Amino acid sequence: AQRVTQPEKLLSVFKGAPVELKCNYSYSGSPELFWYVQYSRQRLQLLLRHISRESIKGFTADLNKGETSFHLKKPFAQEEDSAMYYCALSGRWSQGNKLVFGAGTILRVKS
Amino acid sequence: GAGVSQSPSNKVTEKGKDVELRCDPISGHTALYWYRQRLGQGLEFLIYFQGNSAPDKSGLPSDRFSAERTGESVSTLTIQRTQQEDSAVYLCASSLAGFGYTFGSGTRLTVV
Repeated sequence: AQRVTQPEKLLSVFKGAPVELKCNYSYSGSPELFWYVQYSRQRLQLLLRHISRESIKGFTADLNKGETSFHLKKPFAQEEDSAMYYCALSGRWSQGNKLVFGAGTILRVKS
Repeated sequence: GAGVSQSPSNKVTEKGKDVELRCDPISGHTALYWYRQRLGQGLEFLIYFQGNSAPDKSGLPSDRFSAERTGESVSTLTIQRTQQEDSAVYLCASSLAGFGYTFGSGTRLTVV
């Protein structure tokens, strides 16, 4: 069964501090992993996906198959990073498999 | 339009009434998904349409829930005999297979 676990409901950090939002998953095959973000009063939007190996807004995430994790990291948090972050997993995305989401983590960056 | 459009944006209904939620996907997107987001919880998958294939209804919580989509156009999610536990934000997303989802802004349903 597909499952995504985000253990922290709320993560509060000071501006300039490093951020790590945790995500662990359970999947029997080769998953595709994503991070989605929802800023206040805005729609849910894609932040990054593991196969792109890109950095968006200073965020990166590395898929660790051994630990079944896909933690989201940023070295220096900014106030505008405050939002709800969702980790999501899919089977073969190119085949149109559905995404399974975690419960989400609220990131609060304090000045 | 350029994005996924959902209507209504807010709906308050009395327990026991039926409601219909609408989603207009991005033109050309073959896949359409419905999710439910209850307060303080993650996104719960409801149903998935892909082209003309049979929909994946595995997430529908009860037979009070149903959804339709005609071709690759509008989809409607119907909840019959609404209950208070149906109160949530209902999100629609569309995609081209192999690319990311685009989400609508959701319909906030409140059952009183």
